[in-house]
Amino acid sequence: QSVLTQPPSVSAAPGQKVTISCSGSSSNIGNNYVSWYRHLPGTAPKLLIYENNKRPSGIPDRFSGSKSGTSATLGITGLQTGDEADYYCGTWDSSLSAVVFGGGTKLTVL
Amino acid sequence: QVQLVESGGGLVKPGGSLRLSCAASRFTFSDYYMSWIRQAPGKGLEWVSYISSRGSTIYYADSVKGRVTISRDNAKNSLYLQMNSLRAEDTAVYYCVRMWRLHDPAVFDIWGQGTMVTVSS
Repeated sequence: QSVLTQPPSVSAAPGQKVTISCSGSSSNIGNNYVSWYRHLPGTAPKLLIYENNKRPSGIPDRFSGSKSGTSATLGITGLQTGDEADYYCGTWDSSLSAVVFGGGTKLTVL
Repeated sequence: QVQLVESGGGLVKPGGSLRLSCAASRFTFSDYYMSWIRQAPGKGLEWVSYISSRGSTIYYADSVKGRVTISRDNAKNSLYLQMNSLRAEDTAVYYCVRMWRLHDPAVFDIWGQGTMVTVSS
């Protein structure tokens, strides 16, 4: 059971928009920054969003992040088949003194 | 380009020990905090431990506390994870990861390709 809660799967058609939610508590998302990662099995995960809504260099603006209270959201617009992957949110949990991740969301582009 | 390469994974019996290593290249290793993150088969990402740039600050996940020791050698640009009393649930791909933002421990910008640890009799 993950500390952060994500939907197991989401799907949308190519060109459409999808959002992935990440729910936590005051000890983690509520008082710390959220990051988002994309992971294709067999490859290294990739940082997409940090500090809730910032994109590292090289990440297209199709990817966006937001946070409100104890929840965060990753948005992906203009979906491409290459976006199919597992997506994870992560943050620091001040009560656990640990980095915590969501259980991951599998994105399918239909 | 910036690179992290893990080694030391393999098959070990329950109760056994293993030492993972991570060689860093093409960045100033001593400037960065570093972490180990793992992914068990069919499961999600699980953070294991992190160590500050000089090794003075260390944190562990509860699931490994007391059984695992993280360390680093800045002169050798290397990160280590000594794992003892291994259990079947420690079976996972272990990633060596660079922590990018000093004020946010959950930002991991460079990942190695991972090394597989299998704990089985």
